[in-house]
Amino acid sequence: QQPVQSPQAVILREGEDAVINCSSSKALYSVHWYRQKHGEAPVFLMILLKGGEQKGHEKISASFNEKKQQSSLYLTASQLSYSGTYFCGTEGGSGNTDKLIFGTGTRLQVFP
Amino acid sequence: NAGVTQTPKFQVLKTGQSMTLQCAQDMNHEYMSWYRQDPGMGLRLIHYSVGAGITDQGEVPNGYNVSRSTTEDFPLRLLSAAPSQTSVYFCASKGSRGNSPLHFGNGTRLTVT
Repeated sequence: QQPVQSPQAVILREGEDAVINCSSSKALYSVHWYRQKHGEAPVFLMILLKGGEQKGHEKISASFNEKKQQSSLYLTASQLSYSGTYFCGTEGGSGNTDKLIFGTGTRLQVFP
Repeated sequence: NAGVTQTPKFQVLKTGQSMTLQCAQDMNHEYMSWYRQDPGMGLRLIHYSVGAGITDQGEVPNGYNVSRSTTEDFPLRLLSAAPSQTSVYFCASKGSRGNSPLHFGNGTRLTVT
């Protein structure tokens, strides 16, 4: 089943923070996060494996709650370059033998 | 290092025509997949493969065929195109380790009239 992302859209001023959530109805092995700009292919941000880890990438970090089958992406002190659509992708099984299914995306717009 | 290469970039078909979208990767990735992207629908998985000779259906497989005769290539075939197949198609691959990211091709914009 397709993971559910919320919110569907976010509008921010530069410097503001945002949280994007991703939840699944099935047990997960991993959660992927990607950002896509208009007319381009999605670009990898980070992967979180089961174990409840939290990862960070500059001012973008994420958490993964394996028991709740949920992940959240945290964008702090947003920059204009953060604008785009964010997708979470989920894998079940052992990760290397199961398919990667994406959510419907969260559109983020950052204004000066 | 080319990564994931998709051809063509653009294609216009008439209803009922057939065509093959090509996808090749040079990273020796076992996992390859095809997604279609429509406004508001996100990236929906069409077919995927975990290795040469192995393919499986994704979320929206109807109207599409795939084969995986080599590790490098994963073509997507539309046997009889329909207007509902108008979309942007992405091919993607990843390695077999659990923490391997998905590498996307640049996409093919297909219009069926």
